[in-house]
Amino acid sequence: AQSVTQLDSQVPVFEEAPVELRCNYSSSVSVYLFWYVQYPNQGLQLLLKYLSGSTLVESINGFEAEFNKSQTSFHLRKPSVHISDTAEYFCASMNTGFQKLVFGTGTRLLVSP
Amino acid sequence: NAGVTQTPKFRILKIGQSMTLQCTQDMNHNYMYWYRQDPGMGLKLIYYSVGAGITDKGEVPNGYNVSRSTTEDFPLRLELAAPSQTSVYFCASSSPQNEKLFFGSGTQLSVL
Repeated sequence: AQSVTQLDSQVPVFEEAPVELRCNYSSSVSVYLFWYVQYPNQGLQLLLKYLSGSTLVESINGFEAEFNKSQTSFHLRKPSVHISDTAEYFCASMNTGFQKLVFGTGTRLLVSP
Repeated sequence: NAGVTQTPKFRILKIGQSMTLQCTQDMNHNYMYWYRQDPGMGLKLIYYSVGAGITDKGEVPNGYNVSRSTTEDFPLRLELAAPSQTSVYFCASSSPQNEKLFFGSGTQLSVL
């Protein structure tokens, strides 16, 4: 069975500090991996995805995530966060054979000045 | 571009009442999904559809029903509302050529 684990329910950081949001996945088959972001009172938006190829993927707003097959991880990082990055971040996996997306429980990133 | 549209945005139901959450998309996507989001629980898949006339259960289907008579619409039906169905419901769609899901803005439902 497919599952995604986000161990940190909330991560408070100061503005301009680096941050890492952890994600581990479990699957018996190959998967695609995603990070979605949800700003307050909005739906989810795709932040970045790993399908194949380079294990390091980047978003347009400075986030990056690295696929690590041996550790079954897909952690999200940003070297310097902004107040506007305050949101809930969801890691998700999708079986490459079928488009059913399974989400983790989410990590709330709180950026303070 | 409308994308995925959900109605209503908010609703309060009494226990035992029924209602339909509407979802429509204008991107000609084959795949459509219903998720519920509860605090600390992430998003759980309720039902999904890979095309008109085809639906299947997700992780938490009990108490819900769906239909998919057209490519555009994927309504979610609650027949006998229960307090456990208090949640935020999200509809989403995608195409077989693109793994990205497009989400609606959500329906906040309270059952009292």
